[in-house]
Amino acid sequence: DTEVTQTPKHLVMGMTNKKSLKCEQHMGHRAMYWYKQKAKKPPELMFVYSYEKLSINESVPSRFSPECPNSSLLNLHLHALQPEDSALYLCASSPGLAGAGEQYFGPGTRLTVT
Amino acid sequence: EDQVTQSPEALRLQEGESSSLNCSYTVSGLRGLFWYRQDPGKGPEFLFTLYSAGEEKEKERLKATLTKKESFLHITAPKPEDSATYLCAVGASGSRLTFGEGTQLTVNP
Repeated sequence: DTEVTQTPKHLVMGMTNKKSLKCEQHMGHRAMYWYKQKAKKPPELMFVYSYEKLSINESVPSRFSPECPNSSLLNLHLHALQPEDSALYLCASSPGLAGAGEQYFGPGTRLTVT
Repeated sequence: EDQVTQSPEALRLQEGESSSLNCSYTVSGLRGLFWYRQDPGKGPEFLFTLYSAGEEKEKERLKATLTKKESFLHITAPKPEDSATYLCAVGASGSRLTFGEGTQLTVNP
């Protein structure tokens, strides 16, 4: 089973709200990723967790805060977002070391910031 | 700096009309070339991994090939359900994938 799940599917939030995106995988993968994707563009890497430790932060603004509670779960906490943060947020996982091998993506959370 | 260029940007085919998508890459130390299919509003779906020049992988109507500078995704007798954006990515430095901009494929019945 190569499934990554994400909740919620859609999220609308105001600029003063705090919300969280959740991602889960039960494939025993040890690397997990957050990406942001704008329309008609490829995914942009935000964060990488390898063996539950943050290994890459692609200079993402602090209004995005990742968390990896255990090897199966990945959260993205959102606070004081801007309208330009509206996008499809994708979670992915890969079997071994981060960057080695294919990544499996979840269906995404469509985020709209009003 | 790693670079991936996909062509064409968009491709329209008639059902049954075979064609190829191109992915040219420049990387220092290829750790895999990956093809994904992405439907509108959904996450990319993994298709193939290629590691070395000469390698080929097949799945239904799709066949991916790899040389030292580019990869091709051949689509044989496509059907309307093959319509999607096809993304190519390379794994090279660090833990990152470098994606191309994608090819938007439309197959008309």
